[in-house]
Amino acid sequence: AQSVTQLGSHVSVSEGALVLLRCNYSSSVPPYLFWYVQYPNQGLQLLLKYTTGATLVKGINGFEAEFKKSETSFHLTKPSAHMSDAAEYFCAVIDTGGFKTIFGAGTRLFVKA
Amino acid sequence: GAVVSQHPSRVICKSGTSVKIECRSLDFQATTMFWYRQFPKQSLMLMATSNEGSKATYEQGVEKDKFLINHASLTLSTLTVTSAHPEDSSFYICSARDFAASGLSRADTQYFGPGTRLTVL
Repeated sequence: AQSVTQLGSHVSVSEGALVLLRCNYSSSVPPYLFWYVQYPNQGLQLLLKYTTGATLVKGINGFEAEFKKSETSFHLTKPSAHMSDAAEYFCAVIDTGGFKTIFGAGTRLFVKA
Repeated sequence: GAVVSQHPSRVICKSGTSVKIECRSLDFQATTMFWYRQFPKQSLMLMATSNEGSKATYEQGVEKDKFLINHASLTLSTLTVTSAHPEDSSFYICSARDFAASGLSRADTQYFGPGTRLTVL
């Protein structure tokens, strides 16, 4: 069965600093991997996704993530944090043959001025 | 891009009443819709998978008689919380898959609604 682990329930960075949110997955087959962002009292917005091909994936709002099979990781990064990046971030995985999305526990990003 | 709406966005009800939440795909057909529940500061938990024209598939531990799901058309799925109690208070989020998607992208074309905050007094 697929699973997702997000290391760190809270991450705090200063405005302009590097953002690094960690995600590790467990899968017996090549996974489809996603990062979503959720603002308070709102639904989820897709930041980026990895299915096949290039392992470095660029998403919206300057975020990118790299799929590393050897490390079973899909960490999310952004070179320079902005105040508007403060939100909850979810890493997720879906089976290539399945329909379900399995979410990690989430990481809340705080951005300090 | 594809849009999924939910109605209502917030609802407050008395214990023992039933509440219906609608999930609509506005500009695409959705053969499959998903219903999630999210407790404060927690992740999304899949409750059930709703397929148009057939019975919903519920996740283990979810009471199908408590959470009634109807997917009567390719653009609408409803979740009815029957005889709601305070412990049912939560944030409910639906998502929909785009029927038009094909090939390898089929599995990942999933769009989320804005969520419905249910408070049971």
